[in-house]
Amino acid sequence: GAGVSQTPSNKVTEKGKYVELRCDPISGHTALYWYRQSLGQGPEFLIYFQGTGAADDSGLPNDRFFAVRPEGSVSTLKIQRTERGDSAVYLCASSLGGGGRITGELFFGEGSRLTVL
Amino acid sequence: GEDVEQSLFLSVREGDSSVINCTYTDSSSTYLYWYKQEPGAGLQLLTYIFSNMDMKQDQRLTVLLNKKDKHLSLRIADTQTGDSAIYFCAESEANFGNEKLTFGTGTRLTIIP
Repeated sequence: GAGVSQTPSNKVTEKGKYVELRCDPISGHTALYWYRQSLGQGPEFLIYFQGTGAADDSGLPNDRFFAVRPEGSVSTLKIQRTERGDSAVYLCASSLGGGGRITGELFFGEGSRLTVL
Repeated sequence: GEDVEQSLFLSVREGDSSVINCTYTDSSSTYLYWYKQEPGAGLQLLTYIFSNMDMKQDQRLTVLLNKKDKHLSLRIADTQTGDSAIYFCAESEANFGNEKLTFGTGTRLTIIP
């Protein structure tokens, strides 16, 4: 499709389990972002990729969270030893990245809703 | 760190104007944005304003920026039922190539028929 695609749309898991969330950005977008949105809150920045490398991972809450983008396109957010507090909607966004157009024009996916029981 | 604040709820009669307000703390904000989130859909960029501007108009949308008070507002003229959504204010320092945004908590706009 033409937009940012995220899978799964819903994931229910048990405390302590490992989870992977996938993001397929818009073709040609070099920048990819992960955000987390808790109930009643705005999205919070987690990590930003420019190409294959994580250019800014300052938003990752702890070392249980990790993200990769090995070929500069699809990205996977990995959460180890999940906790109930990890329950949220995880949003992925992509952009063309860098000059020549307005900044901040992120194109968001519909998100992956994670529930940790 | 950066902080962006908004009121949580706004109810407006259909056909009236809606005004959604936002305050931010980061004086180095370069761009300020309004995003719209509808149920079952991803966040969508509505409009943006560069920090050296004080007003921007785009069809039914008017953005006002008071940089001295760090206050941003979004006015929607002739509000329609399709405008029902959550509206997020966001800011960035726009480090070249890094469009990392700080979002507010969102304002849920409800249209009264």
